[in-house]
Amino acid sequence: EPEVTQTPSHQVTQMGQEVILRCVPISNHLYFYWYRQILGQKVEFLVSFYNNEISEKSEIFDDQFSVERPDGSNFTLKIRSTKLEDSAMYFCASTETGRNNSPLHFGNGTRLTVT
Amino acid sequence: GESVGLHLPTLSVQEGDNSIINCAYSNSASDYFIWYKQESGKGPQFIIDIRSNMDKRQGQRVTVLLNKTVKHLSLQIAATQPGDSAVYFCADPSDTGNQFYFGTGTSLTVIP
Repeated sequence: EPEVTQTPSHQVTQMGQEVILRCVPISNHLYFYWYRQILGQKVEFLVSFYNNEISEKSEIFDDQFSVERPDGSNFTLKIRSTKLEDSAMYFCASTETGRNNSPLHFGNGTRLTVT
Repeated sequence: GESVGLHLPTLSVQEGDNSIINCAYSNSASDYFIWYKQESGKGPQFIIDIRSNMDKRQGQRVTVLLNKTVKHLSLQIAATQPGDSAVYFCADPSDTGNQFYFGTGTSLTVIP
């Protein structure tokens, strides 16, 4: 069964450094998402992306965050200058049709630790 | 704002018993609901979904019930197994359809 893959599985970085989290969504999916989950808390929406542009973003997704689909298969999340509070699991997700029609399929996440 | 929440943060059941996990939502316009299972160290895994034109939907060992009158959703797991131990989330899309809201989750522990 096709799946969303994320790399790396664990990223440790120092405060102020830039990180790029990578995702390969399911190949025929058109809608892409980033969510994050702080340890023990709920899954929080960051950003949705369709047709090479952001559809919606949350308050968390400030100007330190950016997303890109650099080619036909990858979808990346960049954090320009990491803060301690950015430590969390970051999940990429994709869906085939978007908007109330199909569920999100998630990757297994990247655990980001900011020291 | 967020529209989904869960009644209980934890649930323990004996292996072989049935489990019921509940979820309430506040947006009466919500028309699509999803249940996810999240095992430790993994991403949320799709279990089953239901649209608002249905009251019940069955999958393999799982049933989702939707009560639109009281805005309540439940996930029933039949003959619960140790592998069912996980956190279960309900989710529904925002009004724009561009994101999904997740509840806080119920941690299910299956006692052998």
